[in-house]
Amino acid sequence: AQSVAQPEDQVNVAEGNPLTVKCTYSVSGNPYLFWYVQYPNRGLQFLLKYITGDNLVKGSYGFEAEFNKSQTSFHLKKPSALVSDSALYFCAVRDGGYQKVTFGTGTKLQVIP
Amino acid sequence: GAGVSQSPSNKVTEKGKDVELRCDPISGHTALYWYRQSLGQGLEFLIYFQGNSAPDKSGLPSDRFSAERTGGSVSTLTIQRTQQEDSAVYLCASSLAALKGDTQYFGPGTRLTVL
Repeated sequence: AQSVAQPEDQVNVAEGNPLTVKCTYSVSGNPYLFWYVQYPNRGLQFLLKYITGDNLVKGSYGFEAEFNKSQTSFHLKKPSALVSDSALYFCAVRDGGYQKVTFGTGTKLQVIP
Repeated sequence: GAGVSQSPSNKVTEKGKDVELRCDPISGHTALYWYRQSLGQGLEFLIYFQGNSAPDKSGLPSDRFSAERTGGSVSTLTIQRTQQEDSAVYLCASSLAALKGDTQYFGPGTRLTVL
């Protein structure tokens, strides 16, 4: 079985400050990890993914995520938040042997001007 | 190129009516997924198609829900005898296959409101 947890329903950060959106996962095999962003009344947009290799993954819009195998985490980060980053963020995981992808419950990011 | 498209974008129906939601995946993508997103909730997996294999229907909430994929491309999600609890945004996604690091690309969704 595979699962993913996003422990924070909402994260508030001041514009210009660094942001972190947390994600932890559980898989029985090798994890494939994804971050998506959803703006209001829109579908999900792919941000970045970890497959293998470098633990620090860089993605769209200046976001990056760090894969930590010992802590089973894949936190999303950005050095300097923008008001336009305010949205709903989803972490997702696929166990290497599975075909389905499991999504977290989402974290609402609010960047305060 | 064109992304995943879904129609209609909004659907309002009366309780007890049947509805059909359509998804056009990205050309060449063999895997297609349907999800449901209720207000303030995460994504609930409904059904998944991979090529010519039998679909994974394990997420369908009741036998009122069904889906088909014709010719390995367009998919239709059908909800019979709709109930108010079916109100949600229905999202479709496609990927090249359903393996490992394949990325899912999402459509804009269909917002279903059952009165």
